Amino acid sequence: AQTVTQSQPEMSVQEAETVTLSCTYDTSENNYYLFWYKQPPSRQMILVIRQEAYKQQNATENRFSVNFQKAAKSFSLKISDSQLGDTAMYFCAFMNYGGSQGNLIFGKGTKLSVKP
Amino acid sequence: EAGVTQFPSHSVIEKGQTVTLRCDPISGHDNLYWYRRVMGKEIKFLLHFVKESKQDESGMPNNRFLAERTGGTYSTLKVQPAELEDSGVYFCASSPGDNGYTFGSGTRLTVV
Repeated sequence: AQTVTQSQPEMSVQEAETVTLSCTYDTSENNYYLFWYKQPPSRQMILVIRQEAYKQQNATENRFSVNFQKAAKSFSLKISDSQLGDTAMYFCAFMNYGGSQGNLIFGKGTKLSVKP
Repeated sequence: EAGVTQFPSHSVIEKGQTVTLRCDPISGHDNLYWYRRVMGKEIKFLLHFVKESKQDESGMPNNRFLAERTGGTYSTLKVQPAELEDSGVYFCASSPGDNGYTFGSGTRLTVV
């Protein structure tokens, strides 16, 4: 069975600094998707970034980038120039590729606090 | 475009009572998902609708949980009778089918 592990329950970072959230996963599949979702306090969960496993190039969305290491089954999220609005729970998630849409497998989440 | 709407946002019920959670997906999204996060644990998949049909309900914990999606529009998730371990945040998500999920804000259920 696929599993997703986020080893950092909580992290904090000073505004404008860079922080990296770790995520590892376990699967025997070769084709899959990986995601980082963000849930601000009392608000809905939104997609931060997505990576297709067949793509070697790391995905980037503005201040957010990933370090995808397929062989190591690692998918860390780097947030550059942290802003107060980045304070949220961050969830790493995995989805099998192919056919009809599958379901997401989530990690336990990392609570990130950005301090002024 | 309206997002995924869930209500109530919070519900506190006594053990043994019944609660019904509702999810209104984005209009036109055939795929609708229910997930649950129990405090301190992972968000777990419950089930997946494609239109009004249950595509995958492998994550439903037991027969106290009943999900419906009449007419392929909104969905309800009923818990009857509720137990203490059912407490958690219930998320709904919808998708048009391109792996682009949109989540609702969740319903926080507390069973006392």
